[in-house]
Amino acid sequence: GNSVTQMEGPVTLSEEAFLTINCTYTATGYPSLFWYVQYPGEGLQLLLKATKADDKGSNKGFEATYRKETTSFHLEKGSVQVSDSAVYFCARAWRAGGTSYGKLTFGQGTILTVHP
Amino acid sequence: DSGVTQTPKHLITATGQRVTLRCSPRSGDLSVYWYQQSLDQGLQFLIQYYNGEERAKGNILERFSAQQFPDLHSELNLSSLELGDSALYFCASSDSPRDRNYGYTFGSGTRLTVV
Repeated sequence: GNSVTQMEGPVTLSEEAFLTINCTYTATGYPSLFWYVQYPGEGLQLLLKATKADDKGSNKGFEATYRKETTSFHLEKGSVQVSDSAVYFCARAWRAGGTSYGKLTFGQGTILTVHP
Repeated sequence: DSGVTQTPKHLITATGQRVTLRCSPRSGDLSVYWYQQSLDQGLQFLIQYYNGEERAKGNILERFSAQQFPDLHSELNLSSLELGDSALYFCASSDSPRDRNYGYTFGSGTRLTVV
């Protein structure tokens, strides 16, 4: 079926380390892809998105490229900070006609902890 | 402030009771989505409304129901509550006619604890 799979966590890094969180999806067609971040005790915030193949989403030093050939949308950051400690969710959705989005399907989330 | 308002932020209730969670979408957004976040199930889509009408249904129990009102706010009703219903319930909105490509905005959630 259609799903989103994230690398299992938790991920623990030292400050300024390179981050990769893998995300792959299974689907027919070309869904829009998202990364959301959830800080402790808060809701989900959109981190970045890509709506078609080869698009690169970027925000706050994070990047992810929509790879149709590998059905992947891996999240990367060159130098993480303690403040990046959070749970990261990969998600996909289709536009359900016109401007309307359908539901989001989320990966299981990856806990990132960054130590000073 | 994301623009999506959920109330209450916390709710503690007993098994068998009924509660109502409320969501006000971002100004101009027509779609409202409800999600449940629990430790064992992760983030699960419950239901979507678009401009007052039910658009899609996910893993929503029969004990749960929702509606979207003419002013576009939405309520999620949970009845005959069980311990396993304890979770974070998120509301998200999307589809502003003014901004067609931004995706979704989430509220900060309602934490429901059933004791």
